[in-house]
Amino acid sequence: DIQMTQSPSSLSAFGGDRVTITCRTSQSVSTYLTWYQQKPGKAPKLLIYGASSLQSGVPSRFRGSGSGTDFTLTISTLQPEDFATYYCQQSFRIPYTFGQGTKLEIK
Amino acid sequence: QEQLQESGPGLLKPSQTLSLTCTVSSGSISSGSYYWSWIRQPAGKGLEWIGRIYTSGITYYNPSLKSRLTISLDMSKNQFSLKLTSVTAADAAVYYCAREEVYGDYEHWGQGTRVTVSS
Repeated sequence: DIQMTQSPSSLSAFGGDRVTITCRTSQSVSTYLTWYQQKPGKAPKLLIYGASSLQSGVPSRFRGSGSGTDFTLTISTLQPEDFATYYCQQSFRIPYTFGQGTKLEIK
Repeated sequence: QEQLQESGPGLLKPSQTLSLTCTVSSGSISSGSYYWSWIRQPAGKGLEWIGRIYTSGITYYNPSLKSRLTISLDMSKNQFSLKLTSVTAADAAVYYCAREEVYGDYEHWGQGTRVTVSS
């Protein structure tokens, strides 16, 4: 299986801050990398697919980048609704695998 | 907008078989070229990909579950299903059904159904 390592596992920030979450894969996944946001009791919400493509309806303050084994999700100007847990997922090879999550909390 | 809804018993005893169904509305499960997937999340933990089925019936399973897992499709009911045999406490989780998109990403999810395994 392709191993996914997200960092940090938790992060505290102020509203208005810019934050970056990284996802590293144990082997190249090209750009088959997706980012999700999950809030308690809810299904994950798709933010970024294909490493850098913004899902329709997702605010432009979310940006994904990277290819191969190293990827980042950047949220510029944090809004109150952005405090949640974020996951990366690779779809290059079955079984698909997810990162362990990054919990973004209000400082 | 595709809508998915999981259903099935929420409480099982160890060694029993978990059976869940996902009903797809707002479109036919047989139209389009999609993979229909199951993903689970133990309480307080991350997401685990379980497996998927194509509209042709071809399945792909997580090797960690393959020996106990069956995913099937019922086009007449617009449903797909999961059967997991010999459950243990490690199988307790929220189970989600979802539709896989072109890049292997998941835009459409069910709301999730919680499964507890306890004697």
